[in-house]
Amino acid sequence: DARVTQTPRHKVTEMGQEVTMRCQPILGHNTVFWYRQTMMQGLELLAYFRNRAPLDDSGMPKDRFSAEMPDATLATLKIQPSEPRDSAVYFCASGAEAGAYNEQFFGPGTRLTVL
Amino acid sequence: GNSVTQMEGPVTLSEEAFLTINCTYTATGYPSLFWYVQYPGEGLQLLLKATKADDKGSNKGFEATYRKETTSFHLEKGSVQVSDSAVYFCALADNYGQNFVFGPGTRLSVLP
Repeated sequence: DARVTQTPRHKVTEMGQEVTMRCQPILGHNTVFWYRQTMMQGLELLAYFRNRAPLDDSGMPKDRFSAEMPDATLATLKIQPSEPRDSAVYFCASGAEAGAYNEQFFGPGTRLTVL
Repeated sequence: GNSVTQMEGPVTLSEEAFLTINCTYTATGYPSLFWYVQYPGEGLQLLLKATKADDKGSNKGFEATYRKETTSFHLEKGSVQVSDSAVYFCALADNYGQNFVFGPGTRLSVLP
């Protein structure tokens, strides 16, 4: 049963600390998405990769956030320095490029709390 | 640009009631349309999809029909259960694979 995995599932940290979230996409998928979900803003797209290349990261605060795919099996989202307003659930999703049919498969999320 | 609009929630129904959650979209070309569901404490998962006009997606008793003339993809279920309580997201993907847009989500609560 192929699925997207994310680590850690929960993270509590103090303001100013670096946070790294990891995602393992489904094997064979070539698109990866990072989303942030909060009660106030709903689901926001932060970054989008295809074949490990960033296609769209316009939704990501560039001064503190960075997203990378060091290889096809790992995507990372880093926040440095973290701030209380970054508290949210961060989801990774992957998909197989297939023309107009672009279903995304979501991981379970990382719940981040910045104190 | 592409966008998705959903009815405001929360929606509260009694068990066995009929459910409709409205979704309309704005997009160029011929997007694919999706409904995702998020159960408490979990990630989103695909509920159903339709890739061309007049297609009907269905799964777990839920249905939605791709209506190009009204740019709509309303979600329906004839008899909801308590276990259907979740947040439902309408979404679209354009036919170039460049944009995937989610609606704001509609929270459904089903009471026994």
